[in-house]
Amino acid sequence: QITLKESGPTLVKPTQTLTLTCSFSGFSLSNSGVGVAWIRQPPGKALEWLAHIFWDDDKRYSPSLKSRLSVTKDTSKNQVVLTLTNMDPVDTGTYFCAHVIAARSPFDFWGQGTRVTVSS
Amino acid sequence: SYVLTQPPSVSVAPGETARIICGGILIARKSVHWYQQKPGQAPVLVISYGSDRPSGIPERFSGSNSGDTATLTITRADAGDEADYYCQMWDSTNDDWVFGGGTKLTVL
Repeated sequence: QITLKESGPTLVKPTQTLTLTCSFSGFSLSNSGVGVAWIRQPPGKALEWLAHIFWDDDKRYSPSLKSRLSVTKDTSKNQVVLTLTNMDPVDTGTYFCAHVIAARSPFDFWGQGTRVTVSS
Repeated sequence: SYVLTQPPSVSVAPGETARIICGGILIARKSVHWYQQKPGQAPVLVISYGSDRPSGIPERFSGSNSGDTATLTITRADAGDEADYYCQMWDSTNDDWVFGGGTKLTVL
């Protein structure tokens, strides 16, 4: 079955770069159409899409965060890495990764999420 | 960018039918997905492509899409359905994946 799990620091300082890893099993990012997305959720607020990376290394980013985001994949390790630069307290929240099979497809499997706090 | 609008909260009596709406311009032409999120948990997909129910989701959950409104319907609501519900779609024009603001369902 498909599983995903996020990992990374729980606390980062303002202006630092956040690096999160999504480790997954049950699918391969070398399969046509498959992708991994990142979504975040500030405390008590709504979900916000951040980025996608697809099997062919096609990458998509939230227009509002595009200048700060980067996503890469390591197909051999079944991992996807998200980086978000110049962290600010407003970036505090839970970060999720999720599986997709195409751009218009839903986020059908989610990781448990990892909580990140931005504070000095 | 495309905006999905949801009411902040919906209340329903146990055993009754809950309807959660998601508004967007010509949303009927879009592939809308619905997620249930309980406190402290990751979202769970409950309806895909407007009306498809993933494996394991009870038949009490259904979806529809017409004009400028998508609707998630939960029949015979019970306390276990209390959660936040989010609609979501891919805005291909702006290459943006959009979520609604979420609706908190209370069963009381």
